[in-house]
Amino acid sequence: GQQVMQIPQYQHVQEGEDFTTYCNSSTTLSNIQWYKQRPGGHPVFLIQLVKSGEVKKQKRLTFQFGEAKKNSSLHITATQTTDVGTYFCADPNTGNQFYFGTGTSLTVIP
Amino acid sequence: DGGITQSPKYLFRKEGQNVTLSCEQNLNHDAMYWYRQDPGQGLRLIYYSQIVNDFQKGDIAEGYSVSREKKESFPLTVTSAQKNPTAFYLCASSVPGTGNQPQHFGDGTRLSIL
Repeated sequence: GQQVMQIPQYQHVQEGEDFTTYCNSSTTLSNIQWYKQRPGGHPVFLIQLVKSGEVKKQKRLTFQFGEAKKNSSLHITATQTTDVGTYFCADPNTGNQFYFGTGTSLTVIP
Repeated sequence: DGGITQSPKYLFRKEGQNVTLSCEQNLNHDAMYWYRQDPGQGLRLIYYSQIVNDFQKGDIAEGYSVSREKKESFPLTVTSAQKNPTAFYLCASSVPGTGNQPQHFGDGTRLSIL
């Protein structure tokens, strides 16, 4: 089936440092979605990217879709303890299924 | 408020026992999904349903069964054939079709073996 890989699997940062997670697909994507799962919680939708090279910002979060639409990234500027959680990318379009990436778990050290 | 309700929050299964996890939504979504999440892992699709009375297997359907008799409900049965059922189970729903709609998740059920 579809493979959506994310790196790194884990990331520990000091509060105030930046953080980036990368998502890579084995196939070209129509669009890509990003979700955040707080510890003990459920995934919550953050954003969707559709266009090649698209960049969207939500406060300190910057999302980017690659030119070839096979990769995406999420960058957090000046992390805060509220950013703790696991970030997933998802391919919502392959055969009516959602394929979630392997996720990046972010720990922010105060 | 519209949302997805999963119950129970915690569930324990004995050897050889079938257990059923409940998922109810009042979002009027046609599509519903079941995922399994193991510690430190991503979400793996068990079953999904795009419409009432129809459902398809996901990547890890073996040992699980579902039904979709009502739009609002998509229960998941973990059968005794599933030898390693301990995991966090998440139900989700969305508007089907173009794949441009986000998924909405319930709070999940944590299943453990006794």
